[in-house]
Amino acid sequence: QSALTQPRSVSGSPGQSVTISCTGTSSDVGGYNYVSWYQQHPGKAPKLMIYDVTKRPSGVPDRFSGSKSGNTASLTISGLQAEDEADYYCCSYAGSYRVFGGGTKLTVL
Amino acid sequence: QVQLQESGPGLVKPSETLSLTCTVSGGSISSDYWSWIRQPPGKGLEWIGYIHTSGSTNYNPSLKSRVTISVDTSKNQFSLKLSSVTAADTAVYYCARLTNYGGTYYMDVWGKGTTVTVSS
Repeated sequence: QSALTQPRSVSGSPGQSVTISCTGTSSDVGGYNYVSWYQQHPGKAPKLMIYDVTKRPSGVPDRFSGSKSGNTASLTISGLQAEDEADYYCCSYAGSYRVFGGGTKLTVL
Repeated sequence: QVQLQESGPGLVKPSETLSLTCTVSGGSISSDYWSWIRQPPGKGLEWIGYIHTSGSTNYNPSLKSRVTISVDTSKNQFSLKLSSVTAADTAVYYCARLTNYGGTYYMDVWGKGTTVTVSS
C-alpha cells in the first residue's frame, strides 16, 4: 500500500487558481470515486475539504473543487486567498483501507 | 458538537508498547467508525486503522502486525496500542471520527493530536 503521489509544492498569487494532482493506481484512486482532500495549517489538525472526488462538506467555500481522471485526482483552488496557504493531502479509499498522498505545500505569493 | 481529545504518554522507550486513548465528548461513540492517523515530524499523514463500535477493525497492512485498536463505549473512548516501537514511530498521533457521506466514510472530525516520541 504505497502513498499516493503529490507534488511537493505549488504556488500562486492572490486571485489566481492552482491545481494539485494526486496520482495513485487502479487499486485506489482509479478504482473508486472515493477521493478526499484535507487542508492542514501548521500545528493544526487536518480539515476535510472535498469528499467523493467532487463534493464539498458544508462550510467549505466553493472556490475549492475536485475532479478525477483515471488514476489521478485533482484539487483546484480558485481565487486564491492568503488563508489558503497550507498543506494539502489527498486520501483514497483502497478497498476498506485508506491511503494518503505525501502532501503538497501551497504557498500564496 | 462532537470533540475528540487524544491522551497518553509523550515518551515511549524503544521496543515497548505505545498506548493512546481518544475521548469523545459532545456526542455518543456508539454506532460509528473511529480512526487513528499519524504524522511523523515534517512528513505526511499515515492512516493507521479504524474500529466500529461493534468491535470490527481494519488496519494499515504495513502496521497490522503491531497495531490493536479497541473501543470502550461505557467510557466514550477508543484506544490505540502499537507494539515494538522504534524511532520511526515518533509522530503526532491523531484520532478522528469517520462519517458516512453517502458513498463511504470520511474522517471529518479530528482531535488536536498528541506528540509521541520514541527514545531511550
